[in-house]
Amino acid sequence: EVQLVESGGGLVQPGGSLRLSCAASGFTFSGFWMHWVRQAPGKGLVWVSRITNDGSNTIYADSVTGRFTMSRDNAKNTLYVQMNSLRVEDTAVYYCARAGKGHFDLWGRGTLVTVSS
Amino acid sequence: QSALAQPASVSGSPGQSITISCTGTTSDVGGYNYVSWYQQNPGKAPKLMIYDVSKRPSGVSDRFSGSKSGNTASLTISGLQAEDEAEYYCSSYTSSSRYVFGPGTKVTVL
Repeated sequence: EVQLVESGGGLVQPGGSLRLSCAASGFTFSGFWMHWVRQAPGKGLVWVSRITNDGSNTIYADSVTGRFTMSRDNAKNTLYVQMNSLRVEDTAVYYCARAGKGHFDLWGRGTLVTVSS
Repeated sequence: QSALAQPASVSGSPGQSITISCTGTTSDVGGYNYVSWYQQNPGKAPKLMIYDVSKRPSGVSDRFSGSKSGNTASLTISGLQAEDEAEYYCSSYTSSSRYVFGPGTKVTVL
């Protein structure tokens, strides 16, 4: 089955760190660019970051630049995002999504990150 | 990057057609044919409904169609059904190589 499964979410204090993972299966993971998209509770979707298929290039939304680092391990079919200096406003469900050309064609179910003291 | 503009809500009766607009700028919607639409039900992941302005992925009903004129893209749902009730988001690639979403439109079937 073609799917993405996120993990690693949880409760973290402001200023803390967390690493999310996204396990891919059912398709050739190394052949696809990937994205992270987040959704704060009761709010809309917000694009966070993108990585190329070989991991050589990443790009981030201004709101997370310098704090989040996206990476991947193609041997493990897994995508990551390291989130540092977390803020209350980073509280959201984080989705990983497979990149089509200009769109997101496969989404995981998401993992909830709560930043609170 | 500012979010795209969408109406907060759109409603229609079963069998009717509704259209959701998505307005951006020449740096996103107007500059690229990389507009996509996503359906999201409560507590669920988004689902791709339209990509490249007007293309439908395999398995998506042909009642869903997309178009674009200038800086405004549109999603039309024809023959509205109860199962179409959901939140719909538009998205566009941008000139900064990033992506932007609209705030979402709640579709209600009366």
